[in-house]
Amino acid sequence: QQQVKQSPQSLIVQKGGISIINCAYENTAFDYFPWYQQFPGKGPALLIAIRPDVSEKKEGRFTISFNKSAKQFSLHIMDSQPGDSATYFCAASKDSGTYKYIFGTGTRLKVLA
Amino acid sequence: KAGVTQTPRYLIKTRGQQVTLSCSPISGHRSVSWYQQTPGQGLQFLFEYFSETQRNKGNFPGRFSGRQFSNSRSEMNVSTLELGDSALYLCASSFGTGMGYNEQFFGPGTRLTVL
Repeated sequence: QQQVKQSPQSLIVQKGGISIINCAYENTAFDYFPWYQQFPGKGPALLIAIRPDVSEKKEGRFTISFNKSAKQFSLHIMDSQPGDSATYFCAASKDSGTYKYIFGTGTRLKVLA
Repeated sequence: KAGVTQTPRYLIKTRGQQVTLSCSPISGHRSVSWYQQTPGQGLQFLFEYFSETQRNKGNFPGRFSGRQFSNSRSEMNVSTLELGDSALYLCASSFGTGMGYNEQFFGPGTRLTVL
């Protein structure tokens, strides 16, 4: 019940295309869902995050869609660029202000030039 | 503003030894969390410290321990190292006030190799 399932494991997208990464969770107590981007040799960096009371959040080319009833959320990267090539992790946390994040297994995105 | 710093960046140890990793959070941040990242298990939460107290703990054996000092710097210790402890150990800091959802900033990690 603590798992966050992420798919696909890897993704190849043409430059300018849309990258879509999906995550699903079981624990309805989760109340914070961040997405992290990680480049090789670096620590993860927060991209965008959402709470369950919002169905969509957009920041630049990055959008989170959240489906509370289905217990799913997804990251959409519009107009994907080669510089977006990285590993993306979704996460979930169930306690406001505490940081026991449960991470998905990661998606390795490659954007072809 | 300086980011989260972790030392050392790379470490090679042998089985049975112990190791101490250090993390300096962003100035003003009082919460420090530690994660283990491996190709097989992904990112797994180890523990979180806030104001020198362990506030959350993941499912790791007692060989993994940590502490936080009054200046919010944190150390993580692994005793009796096993081959499976080879991983990237990440530290993340945040204000951690408990009010709302505070962003965690990750350091670059310490790459531990156990031979």
